[in-house]
Amino acid sequence: DTAVSQTPKYLVTQMGNDKSIKCEQNLGHDTMYWYKQDSKKFLKIMFSYNNKELIINETVPNRFSPKSPDKAHLNLHINSLELGDSAVYFCASSQSLALSGELFFGEGSRLTVL
Amino acid sequence: GEDVEQSLFLSVREGDSSVINCTYTDSSSTYLYWYKQEPGAGLQLLTYIFSNMDMKQDQRLTVLLNKKDKHLSLRIADTQTGDSAIYFCAETNSNSGYALNFGKGTSLLVTP
Repeated sequence: DTAVSQTPKYLVTQMGNDKSIKCEQNLGHDTMYWYKQDSKKFLKIMFSYNNKELIINETVPNRFSPKSPDKAHLNLHINSLELGDSAVYFCASSQSLALSGELFFGEGSRLTVL
Repeated sequence: GEDVEQSLFLSVREGDSSVINCTYTDSSSTYLYWYKQEPGAGLQLLTYIFSNMDMKQDQRLTVLLNKKDKHLSLRIADTQTGDSAIYFCAETNSNSGYALNFGKGTSLLVTP
């Protein structure tokens, strides 16, 4: 019973392609996030959604577009992939926006752009 | 991680205590957190402390907060090989809104 699950776990693709990563949480949480972890393990928030509403949209290229069809799902679509997009993308959730420090993370999706 | 600093590596022997240190710059930090990341896995919340506390103990973990010096530490007693992981310090503050601001992580290696 994985609490926060994301697919795919690994993604290898060519520059210029478009790809999506899906995330689902079964914890009944209101808030979901996408974090990016680079090769040096540095973690930075990209987006957060609360009850399907966009709350945080950090300085992320327009090629990245999150979509939240319902509060249990937050997907990430990336257009025109670039080499610098190679990273591990983590989905996370928290019970509410007020508890945004108490995150439950997925296992990550490792994206490699060739 | 530019507002939250940690040393990158720490090596200890099994059975010893580990102390992982973190400094932060924002005096409006409200909560401070420690997360653990094992290889190939997501982060897992270990513990957190509210900024008006100076110590919190949870089994083998002790968190110390020196708010004046903006210094946070995580002590792991009787460190085991299973404690080998990357440990991230993180904080939330009034400027970050609802985003956790992570340090760059400390890789802890526990040797037998």
